[in-house]
Amino acid sequence: DAGVIQSPRHEVTEMGQEVTLRCKPISGHNSLFWYRQTMMRGLELLIYFNNNVPIDDSGMPEDRFSAKMPNASFSTLKIQPSEPRDSAVYFCASSPGAAEKLFFGSGTQLSVL
Amino acid sequence: ELKVEQNPLFLSMQEGKNYTIYCNYSTTSDRLYWYRQDPGKSLESLFVLLSNGAVKQEGRLMASLDTKARLSTLHITAAVHDLSATYFCAGESNFGNEKLTFGTGTRLTIIP
Repeated sequence: DAGVIQSPRHEVTEMGQEVTLRCKPISGHNSLFWYRQTMMRGLELLIYFNNNVPIDDSGMPEDRFSAKMPNASFSTLKIQPSEPRDSAVYFCASSPGAAEKLFFGSGTQLSVL
Repeated sequence: ELKVEQNPLFLSMQEGKNYTIYCNYSTTSDRLYWYRQDPGKSLESLFVLLSNGAVKQEGRLMASLDTKARLSTLHITAAVHDLSATYFCAGESNFGNEKLTFGTGTRLTIIP
């Protein structure tokens, strides 16, 4: 298996633009997670899905952020409009289920100018 | 809400020495996870500790969990340069909820 695949690897955009991050989890994994990593705040869980259903989105910073999982093999995280403070590395991770380790993607380095 | 604290935040140690990273968490959590992150890279799972008294070892790393003390430790034996990385512990907030709260990380540098 290729592991969790994220795209793009790097994204540079201007403030106010829409940004869409994409994730393909490992086949057969039931849970998918979006994390954000910054120097100041560390690793924060934004949202997680189980069987394509959002279970906990309490970490989504504000209405500018939205996430979808239309099927078991694809998820998106959208920021609209983007702001400089959204600059971070966004990780997608998947797991087979509860009490199982997370498999992380390579991350998307987002820079909002 | 679960809080996870690690110490130290930074650790510089010589090759061949032993050291321990500590992970304290604030509420009852039966499960504790350790991850490694190399600079500019993703996170890689090291250990999953699922019960009180659990101990797991892989090479020069050994992790343990004491749920009564709300403490997990990651012990490094005879450190080698390849172990230089940032180590994170993470706990689950509620049983059956897969939401992981990560600690701040311990940045470990092994000096030859």
